[in-house]
Amino acid sequence: DTAVSQTPKYLVTQMGNDKSIKCEQNLGHDTMYWYKQDSKKFLKIMFSYNNKELIINETVPNRFSPKSPDKAHLNLHINSLELGDSAVYFCASSQGPSRFNEQFFGPGTRLTVL
Amino acid sequence: AQSVTQPDIHITVSEGASLELRCNYSYGATPYLFWYVQSPGQGLQLLLKYFSGDTLVQGIKGFEAEFKRSQSSFNLRKPSVHWSDAAEYFCAVGPPNTGNQFYFGTGTSLTVIP
Repeated sequence: DTAVSQTPKYLVTQMGNDKSIKCEQNLGHDTMYWYKQDSKKFLKIMFSYNNKELIINETVPNRFSPKSPDKAHLNLHINSLELGDSAVYFCASSQGPSRFNEQFFGPGTRLTVL
Repeated sequence: AQSVTQPDIHITVSEGASLELRCNYSYGATPYLFWYVQSPGQGLQLLLKYFSGDTLVQGIKGFEAEFKRSQSSFNLRKPSVHWSDAAEYFCAVGPPNTGNQFYFGTGTSLTVIP
């Protein structure tokens, strides 16, 4: 059973398009995250939700909009895609928002913007 | 600027040899410290973490890390490397007084040669 799953695994699209990445966790966790890993492997947190409420919102263009329909899902919608959005996006979850809690990561979604 | 640094971009070791991966941070107070491993095409997995107490921390897969306050370091070690340890290793820091914020280093890529 996959603990944290993401769809799609690969996403290739044109500049200017709008796309969504879905994330689901079956661990019963309250907190979910989105991270961006660039071509140099630098990993940076984008958003964090706890019980469907936004608790971390880093300096991310407002073209990126997370949506949490329930505790088990955190989707990432990206409007007007740009070349610089090309990266691997990781979803993660943890039991709670505290850093004491281990984060479990999904396998990543490789986004390529042409 | 406050940061977390992994000085070694790439390390190559022979199977069976010992390993040490370096991590330094530059926060005023002791942050929460973590090591994650990312196998090719996979998400990140927590190896170990340090919050307080004993400065030598044991983790999964035979890894350990030692927190040295005087050197602002949290180096990861393994006495005998296996070929399956080839992966990307990330040090991560949760700075004090920043809520649930979480920052990753730039990673160290480990190659294991037979």
